[in-house]
Amino acid sequence: KQEVTQIPAALSVPEGENLVLNCSFTDSAIYNLQWFRQDPGKGLTSLLLIQSSQREQTSGRLNASLDKSSGRSTLYIAASQPGDSATYLCAVASGGGADGLTFGKGTHLIIQP
Amino acid sequence: GAVVSQHPSWVICKSGTSVKIECRSLDFQATTMFWYRQFPKQSLMLMATSNEGSKATYEQGVEKDKFLINHASLTLSTLTVTSAHPEDSSFYICSARDYTAANEKLFFGSGTQLSVL
Repeated sequence: KQEVTQIPAALSVPEGENLVLNCSFTDSAIYNLQWFRQDPGKGLTSLLLIQSSQREQTSGRLNASLDKSSGRSTLYIAASQPGDSATYLCAVASGGGADGLTFGKGTHLIIQP
Repeated sequence: GAVVSQHPSWVICKSGTSVKIECRSLDFQATTMFWYRQFPKQSLMLMATSNEGSKATYEQGVEKDKFLINHASLTLSTLTVTSAHPEDSSFYICSARDYTAANEKLFFGSGTQLSVL
């Protein structure tokens, strides 16, 4: 059974810092990996999706990497801003992508102004 | 971009009542939708996979008679929490896969916060 772990559980940093969020998964046979942002009491916003054959994806100040063999992914946030404060979730898809996602518990991020 | 609409956003009900949550794909057809539940400070946990025109597939430990899923059209899936009890209080969220989108992304609704008194 796939398990997804995210470290750290919480992170608070001053505005402007670069930071890295970590995600690990136990079964390397994934279809893709996706990073989401969740604001309190709200749904999920997809940030980046990495297919199993890819190594990284970039969108603006965000960069996600994937090392499938070691079961790890990182989300790099450059020049953090207070608006980046949210919970960041890592999720993996298995079973050819037809199945639902397996989520980590998330990293609760606070960017101090 | 693809949008998934989920209603209601929050609901408070008395123990023993039933609550229906709707999930609609607004600009694409969703043959498959997924229902998740999230308890405070926990992961989103997949409850069931909803397939248009057929029975839903439930994850282990999820009572199918408790959580009724209906996917009668290509744009609508409903989750009914029957005879809700306080332990059913949770954040419920649906998602749908847009197979025409790049990388077949999953799009999520805004979620429903259910509080059972």
